[in-house]
Amino acid sequence: QQQVKQSPQSLIVQKGGISIINCAYENTAFDYFPWYQQFPGKGPALLIAIRPDVSEKKEGRFTISFNKSAKQFSLHIMDSQPGDSATYFCAASYGANNLFFGTGTRLTVIP
Amino acid sequence: GAVVSQHPSRVICKSGTSVKIECRSLDFQATTMFWYRQFPKQSLMLMATSNEGSKATYEQGVEKDKFLINHASLTLSTLTVTSAHPEDSSFYICSARDGGLAGEKLFFGSGTQLSVL
Repeated sequence: QQQVKQSPQSLIVQKGGISIINCAYENTAFDYFPWYQQFPGKGPALLIAIRPDVSEKKEGRFTISFNKSAKQFSLHIMDSQPGDSATYFCAASYGANNLFFGTGTRLTVIP
Repeated sequence: GAVVSQHPSRVICKSGTSVKIECRSLDFQATTMFWYRQFPKQSLMLMATSNEGSKATYEQGVEKDKFLINHASLTLSTLTVTSAHPEDSSFYICSARDGGLAGEKLFFGSGTQLSVL
C-alpha cells in the first residue's frame, strides 16, 4: 500500500515557469514532510521540509504548501531552470519511524 | 550539511559472486543507517534498518541471508549481496541519520549501481 501518493509522474515546464508537484497522504500521524531531489545515478538530496504546524515554507525558489485538513502537500518551484531537471520525491514520516516515499516526479525544464 | 559516502558507485560482477557496498557517515556518528533499493524510474524501497551494534531489521520480503548488513561502528554500515544473480541488479542507496527523529536529518549516499552478469 502506497502511504504517500504523488502526482504527476512526469512534468515538462518551460524555463521561467512554475513547476508544481502534489502529494497526498492518509496517515494523520505523519508529522514531517520532506521533499528530495535526485539526479540520475545519484542519491536523493533533501530540498526542503515542513511540519504540519505551518501551512507554507519557502526557501529561495522552492515553496512547500501544506493543507492539513486535505492531507495534501505540494512543492512549487518558481522560475524553473534547466538545472532543476531531476526526479523529485515527496516523503512523510512520524515519530521514530522511517520515511515513506512518494513514487517520484520526473521534471524536465525546457530552455 | 552532513556527508554520507557510499562506495563503490558502480560494480559489475559475475553471477554467484558476492558484492560488498560500504556506507560511511563522514562528519557525524550515525546510530541508524538505512538501505534502499531503487529500480529504474521508480521510488526508493526500504530494504532494512541498520542499528549500530545490533542486528538489522529487514522489511517484509527482503531476504536477510541474501542481503547481509553489518553496522559495526557508528560511522560504517555495509551491505553484502551474497551469491548475486541478475535479478539483484539494481541501484542501492544508503542513508544515515544525524540525530533527530527518523525523517529528520537524514542524509543519503550517492548510490551504488550493481550489475550482475
